[in-house]
Amino acid sequence: AQSVTQPDIHITVSEGASLELRCNYSYGATPYLFWYVQSPGQGLQLLLKYFSGDTLVQGIKGFEAEFKRSQSSFNLRKPSVHWSDAAEYFCAVGRRGDYKLSFGAGTTVTVRA
Amino acid sequence: DSGVTQTPKHLITATGQRVTLRCSPRSGDLSVYWYQQSLDQGLQFLIQYYNGEERAKGNILERFSAQQFPDLHSELNLSSLELGDSALYFCASSVDPGLRNTEAFFGQGTRLTVV
Repeated sequence: AQSVTQPDIHITVSEGASLELRCNYSYGATPYLFWYVQSPGQGLQLLLKYFSGDTLVQGIKGFEAEFKRSQSSFNLRKPSVHWSDAAEYFCAVGRRGDYKLSFGAGTTVTVRA
Repeated sequence: DSGVTQTPKHLITATGQRVTLRCSPRSGDLSVYWYQQSLDQGLQFLIQYYNGEERAKGNILERFSAQQFPDLHSELNLSSLELGDSALYFCASSVDPGLRNTEAFFGQGTRLTVV
């Protein structure tokens, strides 16, 4: 069964500083990987996805993620955080032809001025 | 705006009651997924429909059921509600029944509070 681990429950970062959110997955084949963001009171918005090809994926809002098969990781990064990036971030894994996504527990990001 | 519409946004009801949550998928999407987000369980897949037929089941209780109608909107029915059913229920839609180089788009969710 596929599973996703987000080791950091909560991260606090200063505005303008860089951000990295960790995601490790357990899966027997090449996974489809996703990062979603959930702002307070909002739904889930897709930041970026990896299906195949280039392992460095660019997403919206200046985010990027790198798929590292050898480490079973798909970490999310942003070089310079804005106050509006304060939200909860979810990593998810799926597979081609499958019907569902398995989500990590989420990482809450707080941005301080 | 993802294009997935969920109604109502908020719902407060008493234990033992029954509620229906509604989801309209993005135009052209045939597949609808339901997820539950609770504090203790996180985000969990409940059920999927594709073009009117049940495609897959996840951690869905027997008290819960869903259906997808000919116009492709879907309803999630929750009955004999318990306090522990309080959660945010998300609907998502995608073009095809599996993840074939596409992704699922999520609605804003319905916040259910059982009192």
